[in-house]
Amino acid sequence: DTAVSQTPKYLVTQMGNDKSIKCEQNLGHDTMYWYKQDSKKFLKIMFSYNNKELIINETVPNRFSPKSPDKAHLNLHINSLELGDSAVYFCASSPGLAGGQEQFFGPGTRLTVL
Amino acid sequence: GENVEQHPSTLSVQEGDSAVIKCTYSDSASNYFPWYKQELGKRPQLIIDIRSNVGEKKDQRIAVTLNKTAKHFSLHITETQPEDSAVYFCAARLDKIIFGKGTRLHILP
Repeated sequence: DTAVSQTPKYLVTQMGNDKSIKCEQNLGHDTMYWYKQDSKKFLKIMFSYNNKELIINETVPNRFSPKSPDKAHLNLHINSLELGDSAVYFCASSPGLAGGQEQFFGPGTRLTVL
Repeated sequence: GENVEQHPSTLSVQEGDSAVIKCTYSDSASNYFPWYKQELGKRPQLIIDIRSNVGEKKDQRIAVTLNKTAKHFSLHITETQPEDSAVYFCAARLDKIIFGKGTRLHILP
């Protein structure tokens, strides 16, 4: 019954590894997002997809590659992980691109890079 | 691009008192201003929002005011309760949502 789900919930890995986080929404929304929340709790948008198409790509290192196989899924692959990538990553979705629409967040994935 | 400033970063109020969190934004074209609450270890959740054609909106103990001329908006929580303790984020949206840096609200017994 979960609206926006993410896996895994926790991810602990060594520097230099490659990892993926998966996100799925069952709300029928067209738009999905990835946010990064650092240790100071700053929430920063990374990517936005609308109907599988990349709409927003903030100044994120190209080690981060999002993929949207269909509009209900948005995955995030990270290559060559660095210490500074440690954060909580939130997936979110909204009905569409138009303003004034609530964003629904997933439970978050806590990534720890050792 | 849009920039959202939020104050204070930390706020402690006695249970039963009111709490006010203030935000300013830079892009006068922004037209949607949501407020999210994030409890410890949980996801952010929308608690109230306001659109640029409205000056004030209230939902039980929570209210938001918007001053478009001054480009600032505020969250007011009255009769605070222990469960109001959380981090609150304001945000402004034009083509994408930009979040403020958050306010950690502590409700003191």
